[in-house]
Amino acid sequence: AQSVTQPDIHITVSEGASLELRCNYSYGATPYLFWYVQSPGQGLQLLLKYFSGDTLVQGIKGFEAEFKRSQSSFNLRKPSVHWSDAAEYFCAVARQSGGSNYKLTFGKGTLLTVNP
Amino acid sequence: GAVVSQHPSWVICKSGTSVKIECRSLDFQATTMFWYRQFPKQSLMLMATSNEGSKATYEQGVEKDKFLINHASLTLSTLTVTSAHPEDSSFYICSARGSRGSYEQYFGPGTRLTVT
Repeated sequence: AQSVTQPDIHITVSEGASLELRCNYSYGATPYLFWYVQSPGQGLQLLLKYFSGDTLVQGIKGFEAEFKRSQSSFNLRKPSVHWSDAAEYFCAVARQSGGSNYKLTFGKGTLLTVNP
Repeated sequence: GAVVSQHPSWVICKSGTSVKIECRSLDFQATTMFWYRQFPKQSLMLMATSNEGSKATYEQGVEKDKFLINHASLTLSTLTVTSAHPEDSSFYICSARGSRGSYEQYFGPGTRLTVT
């Protein structure tokens, strides 16, 4: 069965420090991977996605993620965190659900706190 | 582009009553819409998938008679929580996909349901 693991429930970093959020997936076929961000009481905003090609993908707000097939990982990074980055981050994998339909399976999320 | 709205954003209802939540794609036609449920500090759990003009497909363990989903047009899907109980209190999020086979979903801002 497909699954997504985010090992870190809560991470605290100082503003200006670098950030890496971990994501590991379990999926038999070629994975289609996503990172979403959720601010308190809000829906999800797509940060970036990986479908194929270059394993280092760039997203919005200065985020990037690297797909490593050998490690089944898709870690999210940012070189310098801003206070506005404080939010919940979800990694997800798209899985085929029949025909041309796909569903998303989400990890449990990582809460990011940014200290001034 | 690709904006999804939900209404209401917050609703309180009494136990035993029913409440309807609307999900609209504002600037695109959504062939497929998804309904998720999110418990506090937890991940999103897919409840059901609905394709315009056909019956919704519910995930295992989701009561279809309790969570009625209607996808009557390419821009509107509704979730009705029937005979609500306090344990139905949760954050409900919808998402929409513009074309079959697409991996991307666009999320609404969510609806906070509190059943008293």
